[in-house]
Amino acid sequence: DSGVTQTPKHLITATGQRVTLRCSPRSGDLSVYWYQQSLDQGLQFLIQYYNGEERAKGNILERFSAQQFPDLHSELNLSSLELGDSALYFCASSVDPLKGNGYTFGSGTRLTVV
Amino acid sequence: EDQVTQSPEALRLQEGESSSLNCSYTVSGLRGLFWYRQDPGKGPEFLFTLYSAGEEKEKERLKATLTKKESFLHITAPKPEDSATYLCAVQGGSEKLVFGKGTKLTVNP
Repeated sequence: DSGVTQTPKHLITATGQRVTLRCSPRSGDLSVYWYQQSLDQGLQFLIQYYNGEERAKGNILERFSAQQFPDLHSELNLSSLELGDSALYFCASSVDPLKGNGYTFGSGTRLTVV
Repeated sequence: EDQVTQSPEALRLQEGESSSLNCSYTVSGLRGLFWYRQDPGKGPEFLFTLYSAGEEKEKERLKATLTKKESFLHITAPKPEDSATYLCAVQGGSEKLVFGKGTKLTVNP
């Protein structure tokens, strides 16, 4: 157990629907990162939050949004889902990104859009 | 823009056959280079952080090295349980990690 908890582990939904993925960071970590992993693209950075505020954005679609709550857990909302959104979504956390200590990853949510 | 290229994409070894994985990178202001191991359907597991050229780190059968343009992950006398995808990532001026696509290692008994 890495200490980063992601729920649900698996999600199957239809095109056009909306889903919410949840992440609880490791105790003491203030930064949360979301990544998307598909077979041909590898790990793609979506968005980062630090202590409740958005810190950096990657190639996140406008249909996707995220937030980090006062208790530091984070949610990634995916709407108007398309078949191409099927992927593994990982959350990672770190205590201080500026120290270059790397991230701790959760076990991911596998999203299948049918 | 920070970039990471890993080679080969896939590598098959016999148990005990040592080899190396390559990670080439371009980054403005390297803060750290990271190696992760990922098993199928699971999250990446942290292995090493390297901060400056010339640095080396070891863990069991794995040894990571760093130059100004690339990093190597050396695997000595691998075992079947070393089979996994090995990911390289860099952290530059921004706080995000930029990952390569990985090298899928298969070690046959």
